Amino acid sequence: QVQLVQSGAEVKKPGASVKVSCKASGYTFTGQYMHWVRQAPGQGLEWMGWINPNTGGTKYAQKFQDRVTMTRDTSISTAYMELSRLRSDDTAVYYCAKEEGITYEFGHWGQGTLVTVSS
Amino acid sequence: EIVLTQSPGTLSLSPGERATLSCRASQSVSSSYLAWYQQKPGQAPRLLIYGASRRATGIPDRFSGSGSGTDFTLTISRLEPEDFAVYYCQQYGNSPGHTFGQGTKLEIK
Repeated sequence: QVQLVQSGAEVKKPGASVKVSCKASGYTFTGQYMHWVRQAPGQGLEWMGWINPNTGGTKYAQKFQDRVTMTRDTSISTAYMELSRLRSDDTAVYYCAKEEGITYEFGHWGQGTLVTVSS
Repeated sequence: EIVLTQSPGTLSLSPGERATLSCRASQSVSSSYLAWYQQKPGQAPRLLIYGASRRATGIPDRFSGSGSGTDFTLTISRLEPEDFAVYYCQQYGNSPGHTFGQGTKLEIK
């Protein structure tokens, strides 16, 4: 069965960077795009971007264009999301989500990684 | 940029009742690219409906989706206790990519 297992919670200071991992299993990692979505405390879902694990190509939401980098390591079926120049309003749960196919829905999600930005 | 507006913000109903949740887009959305998710506290979202009306694997048939163009609806025909949660619609477009509605909280009356 498909599983997406994310790295553990992080506490960072303002201005620092964070890198969250998402290890995939149960399917061909290079076969489907991987997306990242975040959710601030008590708020809704915010799409951040995607990576094509096959080519490494990426597309980022404009809001995060200059601060986010999505990468992957196909040898270990793992996707990464790095967010730099962290601010307090970056405190959120960050999810990876697997795109399912031609209708682009997110059929499987990681368990989420809480990133807390605090001085 | 397409904006999705969900209504109502909160819906208070009792188990056994019918729930109707709305998702309105600021411009036309392809039905193929409209999805609904359920999220319970402390959990990741779960896919319910994709392609506006197709149930995801394992989703009970009391959940149904409909709509086209700018107006989409998620209907839960007869509420079970486990259905009380927050529901999000989502669309995919070329620019800026995926967007979510702000969510509808379905609470027990």
